[in-house]
Amino acid sequence: EDKVVQSPLSLVVHEGDTVTLNCSYEVTNFRSLLWYKQEKKAPTFLFMLTSSGIEKKSGRLSSILDKKELSSILNITATQTGDSAIYLCAASGSARQLTFGSGTQLTVLP
Amino acid sequence: DVKVTQSSRYLVKRTGEKVFLECVQDMDHENMFWYRQDPGLGLRLIYFSYDVKMKEKGDIPEGYSVSREKKERFSLILESASTNQTSMYLCASSFKLGTQETQYFGPGTRLLVL
Repeated sequence: EDKVVQSPLSLVVHEGDTVTLNCSYEVTNFRSLLWYKQEKKAPTFLFMLTSSGIEKKSGRLSSILDKKELSSILNITATQTGDSAIYLCAASGSARQLTFGSGTQLTVLP
Repeated sequence: DVKVTQSSRYLVKRTGEKVFLECVQDMDHENMFWYRQDPGLGLRLIYFSYDVKMKEKGDIPEGYSVSREKKERFSLILESASTNQTSMYLCASSFKLGTQETQYFGPGTRLLVL
């Protein structure tokens, strides 16, 4: 059975801090790993990673995949209160669907 | 811009009622998905469809059925709602597998079953 585990489950930081969110996966015939940000409603897509060691960046957010360790990290630098959200990690394999982790709840205090 | 819409944002139903949740996407996506999201459990896949009239069970299909009569529309049906189906329901769509696996989500329907 495919499995995705995220850590920590929740995190509280102050504005300006840097955070690292972790995701590990066990997926048959792994294809890609995706990160989503979920505020009050629908998850919105952040990154899709398919190759190991290549960092993807968008503003203060970056992510990298390690296929040897079956894991990925999402970094957020200089956090802002608007970064407060649930961050979801999902992996796709040979089946046609994504397996999601339970998410990391990030709270950024002013 | 991809747009996925869901028929209701909030819904309150009574135990035993039949419930229809509708999802429409406007990007000609082949794949459509229904998830439920519960605190601490993340998103769990209920059903998905990769073509019109095709459906496959996800991880938790019990108590649910689906219908996909048109490519852009995917309906989730609760034949006889129960209190343990109180949840946030999210619909998503994506292009055909092998081309782009990013799923785009609708705004969600928060269902309360009394």
